[in-house]
Amino acid sequence: QKEVEQNSGPLSVPEGAIASLNCTYSDRGSQSFFWYRQYSGKSPELIMSIYSNGDKEDGRFTAQLNKASQYVSLLIRDSQPSDSATYLCAYSGAGSYQLTFGKGTKLSVIP
Amino acid sequence: EAGVAQSPRYKIIEKRQSVAFWCNPISGHATLYWYQQILGQGPKLLIQFQNNGVVDDSQLPKDRFSAERLKGVDSTLKIQPAKLEDSAVYLCASSHGTSEQFFGPGTRLTVL
Repeated sequence: QKEVEQNSGPLSVPEGAIASLNCTYSDRGSQSFFWYRQYSGKSPELIMSIYSNGDKEDGRFTAQLNKASQYVSLLIRDSQPSDSATYLCAYSGAGSYQLTFGKGTKLSVIP
Repeated sequence: EAGVAQSPRYKIIEKRQSVAFWCNPISGHATLYWYQQILGQGPKLLIQFQNNGVVDDSQLPKDRFSAERLKGVDSTLKIQPAKLEDSAVYLCASSHGTSEQFFGPGTRLTVL
């Protein structure tokens, strides 16, 4: 059974700090990995995608993927109160566009 | 570029009533998805369309849920009859040749 595990949080970090969000997945055939941000009462918004092992940086966001360990993470540098949201980890398998989502980690950035 | 459109945004119904949701994907996106998101959970895929054909509906409760995408663009998701446990946000998403999916604003359904 395909599973995505995330710490539900809440994860609290002070403004300006680095927030580290982690995700593990069970399907070794997973090919593509995504991080979505979901504000309360809103729909998920795609913020990062990563397809190969290593790091991918986009502004204050860095996604890290380790397929051997079945682990993907998201680092948010210089965290801002506007980053306070639930972050959903998702992946798709080989030959499929379907996404399997984790339950999400709630992040609170304290001013 | 216009995003995914959904309507209505909110719906309140009594149990055993029927309800329908509408989705218009991003222009040119051949793949359309319907998800159910229960409070505190991640989205769960209900059905995936490629153009007007069903790719996967294995998690759609077919005794009460149905969906169609007749002309390969707009889609409707119907629940008949609704149960209390159907209270959730119903999200539509679309993609074009990749797994990168873009979500609409969702429809929040409350079943009383």
